[in-house]
Amino acid sequence: GAVVSQHPSWVICKSGTSVKIECRSLDFQATTMFWYRQFPKQSLMLMATSNEGSKATYEQGVEKDKFLINHASLTLSTLTVTSAHPEDSSFYICSARATSGRALRSYEQYFGPGTRLTVT
Amino acid sequence: KQEVTQIPAALSVPEGENLVLNCSFTDSAIYNLQWFRQDPGKGLTSLLLIQSSQREQTSGRLNASLDKSSGRSTLYIAASQPGDSATYLCAVGASGSRLTFGEGTQLTVNP
Repeated sequence: GAVVSQHPSWVICKSGTSVKIECRSLDFQATTMFWYRQFPKQSLMLMATSNEGSKATYEQGVEKDKFLINHASLTLSTLTVTSAHPEDSSFYICSARATSGRALRSYEQYFGPGTRLTVT
Repeated sequence: KQEVTQIPAALSVPEGENLVLNCSFTDSAIYNLQWFRQDPGKGLTSLLLIQSSQREQTSGRLNASLDKSSGRSTLYIAASQPGDSATYLCAVGASGSRLTFGEGTQLTVNP
């Protein structure tokens, strides 16, 4: 099946620093990738939709200057949390929608394993 | 705005029981509905995806149904096992592949 990886799987950083999280589709191309945030014992909340070669579309209430998204290729999207604060500590999950490669359903999202961010 | 609700929030059953997880959504104009499993601290595993034109999907001991007009879906798990213990998430798909998730049902199957 389709595999999506995230790196790093967990990261601890100090308040005020920036952290970059990578999301890669390993065996398929993905024009569109999605970034979600999940707080403990809560569900996934969509943060933004990332389209290759264009600006990301952010959900209401998500600061685009704080959560920088770059989708530079058909297999890689990055999320940079700038000037991180303890309240940004969360589980960040990406997903990718297949556009080509193998017999994948183009409407289905394939999820990465998540990145645990802890800001001290 | 689509809202997805899952009931119950938590469920504890003895091994071997058949059980039903419920999901309801407010806007019936959906493209599909998907059930996921999430283990603690892990990502999502897709279990079943039902297109809006379908009424149910089955995979092994799992059966998911969809009643779009009433805004409901159920996930039926037969002969539950301790390995089924996880959080089960329901997600409704709209245009542009946007998914709206419910808050999940935390299932514990006791041996």
